[in-house]
Amino acid sequence: DIQMTQSPSSLSASVGDRVAITCRASQSINSHLNWYQQKLGKAPRLLIYAAASLQTGVPSRFSGSGSGTDFTLIISSLQPEDFATYYCQQSYSVPPAFGQGTRVEIK
Amino acid sequence: EVQLLQSGAEVKKPGESLRISCKTSGYTFTNYWINWVRQMPGKGLEWMGRIDPRASSTNYSPSFRGHVTVSVDKSITTAYLQWTSLKASDTAMYFCVRLRSVAGVPFFDSWGLGTLVIVSS
Repeated sequence: DIQMTQSPSSLSASVGDRVAITCRASQSINSHLNWYQQKLGKAPRLLIYAAASLQTGVPSRFSGSGSGTDFTLIISSLQPEDFATYYCQQSYSVPPAFGQGTRVEIK
Repeated sequence: EVQLLQSGAEVKKPGESLRISCKTSGYTFTNYWINWVRQMPGKGLEWMGRIDPRASSTNYSPSFRGHVTVSVDKSITTAYLQWTSLKASDTAMYFCVRLRSVAGVPFFDSWGLGTLVIVSS
């Protein structure tokens, strides 16, 4: 099975900061990497699919990059509504594993 | 509008059986796999299994195979997750999720709000 590792596990940032979250796969997954946002007590929401494609309705301050084993989610200017937990997920093979999550907190 | 409407919270005792549901609407039910994802209290997301509503073919995570069953009723565009004997460790939120693919890359594009299952004696 493919393992997904995110870093950092948590971070503190201020409104307006640029935030980067990385995700590493245990083997190459091409561009089969998706990112989700989950706010406390809510269902996850798709942000980015296929490593770099922005889901409809997601603000353009979110972007994704990478291929193979290393991927990055960037929030270009953190907004108050962005404080949440972010998960990467590989869809290259079954089982489709999630990373452990990165919690973005207010500094 | 794509909607996945999950059944309400459940409180059960260890050893009891349970089936939770996910009623879908707004799209052609048989065109998209339905997946189930577990989230234990304060923890991350775990993929449990999936079903192709067209053929009722299934795949399960090794961690859940044999303990849960996923099924569908095409006539009412509803998916189910079932346990025959619950354990306290099944206490969690369970999400049903639609799987979509673009250019050969699958992703979870629509999520139900979740069903909270509490198993306690």
